[in-house]
Amino acid sequence: KAGVTQTPRYLIKTRGQQVTLSCSPISGHRSVSWYQQTPGQGLQFLFEYFSETQRNKGNFPGRFSGRQFSNSRSEMNVSTLELGDSALYLCASSPEGPWENEFFGPGTRLTVL
Amino acid sequence: DQQVKQNSPSLSVQEGRISILNCDYTNSMFDYFLWYKKYPAEGPTFLISISSIKDKNEDGRFTVFLNKSAKHLSLHIVPSQPGDSAVYFCAASAMSGGSNYKLTFGKGTLLTVNP
Repeated sequence: KAGVTQTPRYLIKTRGQQVTLSCSPISGHRSVSWYQQTPGQGLQFLFEYFSETQRNKGNFPGRFSGRQFSNSRSEMNVSTLELGDSALYLCASSPEGPWENEFFGPGTRLTVL
Repeated sequence: DQQVKQNSPSLSVQEGRISILNCDYTNSMFDYFLWYKKYPAEGPTFLISISSIKDKNEDGRFTVFLNKSAKHLSLHIVPSQPGDSAVYFCAASAMSGGSNYKLTFGKGTLLTVNP
């Protein structure tokens, strides 16, 4: 089975712009979770989608949003980018979720200038 | 307010010995705990979990112990191998009573297993 894939792998944006990150889960996995990793805050949970519905949500502002499509692929959007949004964004998928037996993708490294 | 704390940023052990990674939490609503392992330049890997109805869960060389009264959990790796060298994250969630299961992570402990 192919693993979790994330595109793009690297991204550079400027403050005020918006960005969309994409995640393709392992075939058959219906749960997709998104995480943000920074040196200062560590790993933080953003949200989890299951069957096209946001099922769980972390403590991030409304600028962070996501969606899931009928094929379980998920996108994450960040609007009005701030310097502090620079991070590694990780996507993980699991058969039913949340979290246990999750497989993580390689991440998208976002740099906001 | 850090609800999940891993107070040791790093730990170094000898190959073959036991590695004990510790995690403390403050939120008494947490009832489900997970450990993840992360190698440099890779995403985290789920390792083992435990729910609050148990005090021990074992999977091969990895055992997680939960002490609810002390709000403390630990991950034991026996015997430690050089390939176990990685950052280990503890995470917690309140799985019961409510529909939003927010996962909270500790900041990680870097384990180095020396040959």
